[in-house]
Amino acid sequence: EPEVTQTPSHQVTQMGQEVILRCVPISNHLYFYWYRQILGQKVEFLVSFYNNEISEKSEIFDDQFSVERPDGSNFTLKIRSTKLEDSAMYFCASTATGGWTEAFFGQGTRLTVV
Amino acid sequence: DAKTTQPPSMDCAEGRAANLPCNHSTISGNEYVYWYRQIHSQGPQYIIHGLKNNETNEMASLIITEDRKSSTLILPHATLRDTAVYYCIAVSSGAGSYQLTFGKGTKLSVIP
Repeated sequence: EPEVTQTPSHQVTQMGQEVILRCVPISNHLYFYWYRQILGQKVEFLVSFYNNEISEKSEIFDDQFSVERPDGSNFTLKIRSTKLEDSAMYFCASTATGGWTEAFFGQGTRLTVV
Repeated sequence: DAKTTQPPSMDCAEGRAANLPCNHSTISGNEYVYWYRQIHSQGPQYIIHGLKNNETNEMASLIITEDRKSSTLILPHATLRDTAVYYCIAVSSGAGSYQLTFGKGTKLSVIP
């Protein structure tokens, strides 16, 4: 079965540092997403990305966040200056087409900001 | 806010059918009902989705009432590995990207 791959599985960083979370979506998928889940809370939408640009973003996705698809396979989430409250599981997802198809999620990156 | 409501938790005996209810009385005609599950903080996993008709796949069945105000996800023979949080989500059928709005879901515990 195809899968979305995320690296690293766990990242510890100091407050104020920049982090880049990496994802390899399923190869023929066109829509890419980042979600996060703070421990014990709901899974929250951050951003969706299609055709090399952001198509939707939530209020959480402020100027500290950015996404990029630097090549044909990777999809990255950058947090410029991490805060303690950015500690969460970050999930990448991809879909073949928007709207009607199921999303495949990666196993997540656990980000711990100290 | 999520347009669906689910019980916070349920138990099911191993080998029995697990029936997970979801109320979505305010969804519009073009909104699909999607079910996902999350096993112990892993990435959410797609299970099934439907619009009006009942659906079945290798994982589960989805029964949607005729008035579309509620639905039931059925895991026909629950195993211990089905212990997870199950999310019922209304998703617009509009083209383009879409976001899933996760609620708190139902924590299903399959008991030996």
